[in-house]
Amino acid sequence: DTEVTQTPKHLVMGMTNKKSLKCEQHMGHRAMYWYKQKAKKPPELMFVYSYEKLSINESVPSRFSPECPNSSLLNLHLHALQPEDSALYLCASSQEKSVYEQYFGPGTRLTVT
Amino acid sequence: GQNIDQPTEMTATEGAIVQINCTYQTSGFNGLFWYQQHAGEAPTFLSYNVLDGLEEKGRFSSFLSRSKGYSYLLLKELQMKDSASYLCAVRDRRNAGNMLTFGGGTRLMVKP
Repeated sequence: DTEVTQTPKHLVMGMTNKKSLKCEQHMGHRAMYWYKQKAKKPPELMFVYSYEKLSINESVPSRFSPECPNSSLLNLHLHALQPEDSALYLCASSQEKSVYEQYFGPGTRLTVT
Repeated sequence: GQNIDQPTEMTATEGAIVQINCTYQTSGFNGLFWYQQHAGEAPTFLSYNVLDGLEEKGRFSSFLSRSKGYSYLLLKELQMKDSASYLCAVRDRRNAGNMLTFGGGTRLMVKP
């Protein structure tokens, strides 16, 4: 199984809503990532979890809150977002000690109204 | 910090060969990746170079020169389905090498 899955595929939310994005992998990878990608731009790293602990936070606003409940799951909790947060949110995973490649999920297309 | 440059757009003809260049500046270089991304989809891994030289994988090849901070992705026998964005990404040794920084991507359009 070389797949990273993400739910939902699409999400529309208001600025006062609270929602969560979910990511799952069963490849035994110990590093998991959240990226944000705006249209026609490259992915930008938001968070890195290593062995279920947050190791990198790229100065992301607190309205984005990551959570890693176990080694296979990664969540991104959203609260009080702004319209400019509309983007494709990509989850990825990699082997911790052999970071030859990151496997990306299909992404969640988020629209904030 | 890092600086990664690649052309914004390229056009090529079906059946031809195209070379997409990437230049980078980084401290603690620890590998360069090429990803393909079709519109609205996730990036998919194409190649990885950490030592100088050419890595060949079917129709795709990738080259690295660490002394020049330069890589290219070579696509042969172009097919219409190769129309996509091609992302150059550099890994450095910060944070146990877990971070990839992506270039802006090159949008390749393959014409009949």
